[in-house]
Amino acid sequence: QVQLQESGPGLVKPSETLSLTCTVSGGSVRSGGYYWSWIRQPPGKGLEWIGYIYYTGTTGYNPSLKSRVTISVETSKNHFSLKLSSVTAADTAVYYCARDALGGSGTYTDYWGQGTLVTVSS
Amino acid sequence: DIQMTQSPSSLSASVGDRVTITCRTSQSISTYLNWYQQKPGKAPKLLIYAASTLQSGVPSRFSGSGSGTTFTLTISTLQPEDFASYYCQQSYTSVTFGGGTKVDIK
Repeated sequence: QVQLQESGPGLVKPSETLSLTCTVSGGSVRSGGYYWSWIRQPPGKGLEWIGYIYYTGTTGYNPSLKSRVTISVETSKNHFSLKLSSVTAADTAVYYCARDALGGSGTYTDYWGQGTLVTVSS
Repeated sequence: DIQMTQSPSSLSASVGDRVTITCRTSQSISTYLNWYQQKPGKAPKLLIYAASTLQSGVPSRFSGSGSGTTFTLTISTLQPEDFASYYCQQSYTSVTFGGGTKVDIK
């Protein structure tokens, strides 16, 4: 059973960089056929895809966030990370890490972390 | 970017009702469409992928259909544990979620 766990600061100051790590257990980030994703959800609102990474380092990002987002993978530690720069209050959200399986019709998110609330405030 | 329009944004229903949620995309995405259920304070759960394939362990009262630009999620007989929010997601070009549908008790 794959499990994902987000970790990182719950409070970030405006204009600073939000940094989160997702540790994977019960599976390997080096497994082919899977992308490793970040998704967020502002309080009371819907889901927003941030981006994903393949173990080779290939990434895909939400065009609306692309200029501020970096996703990286550390295969030796079996984790992947998110950095979001120049944050504002609009970046306050629950941040989920997840695994996307590659199927015949695109990808689908079959495992999710529990989510971590990150608040942007001075 | 592919725009996704989910309707209705909310609905009230009773246990035993048949519920249908629609997701429309701004361009054809074949069957690159997934459905998720989310309960308050919890991560989303995959219900349906590739428009109509039931994820393992998901009750058969959930079904998905459609291709191209119009997709539906149907709950054949609503159960108490089905009161939740539902989201569609496309992965044809990048990844986008629909705005969500909240199903609550009438």
